[in-house]
Amino acid sequence: NAGVMQNPRHLVRRRGQEARLRCSPMKGHSHVYWYRQLPEEGLKFMVYLQKENIIDESGMPKERFSAEFPKEGPSILRIQQVVRGDSAAYFCASSGGTDSFAKNIQYFGAGTRLSVL
Amino acid sequence: AQTVTQSQPEMSVQEAETVTLSCTYDTSESNYYLFWYKQPPSRQMILVIRQEAYKQQNATENRFSVNFQKAAKSFSLKISDSQLGDTAMYFCAFRVANAGKSTFGDGTTLTVKP
Repeated sequence: NAGVMQNPRHLVRRRGQEARLRCSPMKGHSHVYWYRQLPEEGLKFMVYLQKENIIDESGMPKERFSAEFPKEGPSILRIQQVVRGDSAAYFCASSGGTDSFAKNIQYFGAGTRLSVL
Repeated sequence: AQTVTQSQPEMSVQEAETVTLSCTYDTSESNYYLFWYKQPPSRQMILVIRQEAYKQQNATENRFSVNFQKAAKSFSLKISDSQLGDTAMYFCAFRVANAGKSTFGDGTTLTVKP
């Protein structure tokens, strides 16, 4: 049973370009979460999605950032017109299952490290 | 809003000894979950142990155990028989049941010395 898959592992962009980060949740999971980790800091929540719906985007910057989780395919975190301050590790997590306990455990991917030159 | 505080930015322990990492949290919720995650140099986030707030019994996973004090809002992690592979950053996390996001502390960097 494959875990949460994120790609690419490393992404280099120049200022002003677009970054697209992909996340495939664990098999059977329908909830996806995106977090950002700046150097020497903990993870900060960005957005929570279920299939075709954004449930909570309270941690997303108001501009340039968007996320989707289509009916088919991976979840995408998109950053337009990247700036140096966007350089960070971006983690995706998923949860699912039928019992209350399983639904509340988030399993993380290996992250995408974005570097903006 | 929930907050999670890890007051020890760095800790070290000798191999085979025991170490305890501290975590406190603040919430007005009654139904929630607490987690410890390990982040080794590979940066993968690995779930170490979890605790449901309504359970009084402390969770245990092999060499890892927690001391959950609900009234004090404290959730410490004890690592017994420390191994070199335990060297990593450890994050405490809080999640309101069925609410979606998790709130993380800033982490404790643990170094196990041979």
